[in-house]
Amino acid sequence: GQQLNQSPQSMFIQEGEDVSMNCTSSSIFNTWLWYKQDPGEGPVLLIALYKAGELTSNGRLTAQFGITRKDSFLNISASIPSDVGIYFCAGHTKSGAGSYQLTFGKGTKLSVIP
Amino acid sequence: DTGVSQDPRHKITKRGQNVTFRCDPISEHNRLYWYRQTLGQGPEFLTYFQNEAQLEKSRLLSDRFSAERPKGSFSTLEIQRTEQGDSAMYLCASSIDRAGGYTFGSGTRLTVV
Repeated sequence: GQQLNQSPQSMFIQEGEDVSMNCTSSSIFNTWLWYKQDPGEGPVLLIALYKAGELTSNGRLTAQFGITRKDSFLNISASIPSDVGIYFCAGHTKSGAGSYQLTFGKGTKLSVIP
Repeated sequence: DTGVSQDPRHKITKRGQNVTFRCDPISEHNRLYWYRQTLGQGPEFLTYFQNEAQLEKSRLLSDRFSAERPKGSFSTLEIQRTEQGDSAMYLCASSIDRAGGYTFGSGTRLTVV
């Protein structure tokens, strides 16, 4: 089945530093998504990428959809304490039943030291 | 738009008992999904509804699991004869009829003791 390899598994950074994390897949995806999950909550969508090569920003977040459609990265600039959480990449393709089923990576746990 | 609502937030049950979770999607969203997330893992797809029709089920959804979405509004996920391996966060998500990221609820944390 499809698998997403997300790295790093965890990061400890100083407040104000930039962060980079990435995701690779053995399969092609039509869409790449980045979510953030706080403890005890559901994932919250940060950025959605729809075209190979697409570079999209959302405030201090920037993400890119790889040309091969098998990878994506997420950068966070000037990290702040509220960036703490688990970041998930996810890819989806439309199934024959019409669902846009998501395949998630295992997450990158981000800790920010004030 | 009050988001996706899930109830209860937490459930502790004894092994062998049945449990039922409820999801209220965003009102105009016709697509509804159930995912399961275990500790240290990303969410995994369980099942998908378009309106009231259950169109897709994962192999993770054993015959002890059943999901419904009567009238295409709220959905329920029932687990019969719970096992310790069912302990997980059960997440519901909904979306409108297009590709893109969907909105997750806060989840129901199930602990089977």
